[in-house]
Amino acid sequence: AQTVTQSQPEMSVQEAETVTLSCTYDTSENNYYLFWYKQPPSRQMILVIRQEAYKQQNATENRFSVNFQKAAKSFSLKISDSQLGDTAMYFCASLGTASKLTFGTGTRLQVTL
Amino acid sequence: NAGVTQTPKFQVLKTGQSMTLQCAQDMNHEYMSWYRQDPGMGLRLIHYSVGAGITDQGEVPNGYNVSRSTTEDFPLRLLSAAPSQTSVYFCASRPRTGVLAGGKNIQYFGAGTRLSVL
Repeated sequence: AQTVTQSQPEMSVQEAETVTLSCTYDTSENNYYLFWYKQPPSRQMILVIRQEAYKQQNATENRFSVNFQKAAKSFSLKISDSQLGDTAMYFCASLGTASKLTFGTGTRLQVTL
Repeated sequence: NAGVTQTPKFQVLKTGQSMTLQCAQDMNHEYMSWYRQDPGMGLRLIHYSVGAGITDQGEVPNGYNVSRSTTEDFPLRLLSAAPSQTSVYFCASRPRTGVLAGGKNIQYFGAGTRLSVL
């Protein structure tokens, strides 16, 4: 079974600053994927970034990047140049060979002026 | 681009009533699933299906039934609604590539259904 832990229920960052959201996971598998999803007030689940566990290189998508530490089972999300539109709930998730996507409890990010 | 379509968007039920949440996808995805989202608990898997005619239980299946007669549709049934089932429900789909087969393994979500059981 996989578990995903997000230890920061809420975070705040000023516009244009950088913020890092933490995520740790537990799995006994060698092959798995990790994801960050964004859920704005509209409630829509939006994929932000994904990482294959077998790739050592950290994934990046424009202002979003991850710090994937496989040995430590850590998968943090860094948002650079934060924008007001980044205000949302952020969920970390893992997908293993059992094909079940497991989510963390989420981090509510507020971007302020 | 329809993607994953859920209906209704909002629903209010009385305790004991039954209803079906509809989910349809037009991407020919084999894998479909239902989640519920409750404050402070993230998204929890209710039921999932790896293809037409095949369903299995997730983390919180009690009180819910599913069926998968076609690749496109995956309805979720509440047979006798309870206040504990008040939640936001999400349907999702993705190709059945699996982590071993490679592929992007990106899961697409519907817009959600907010259900209140009084």
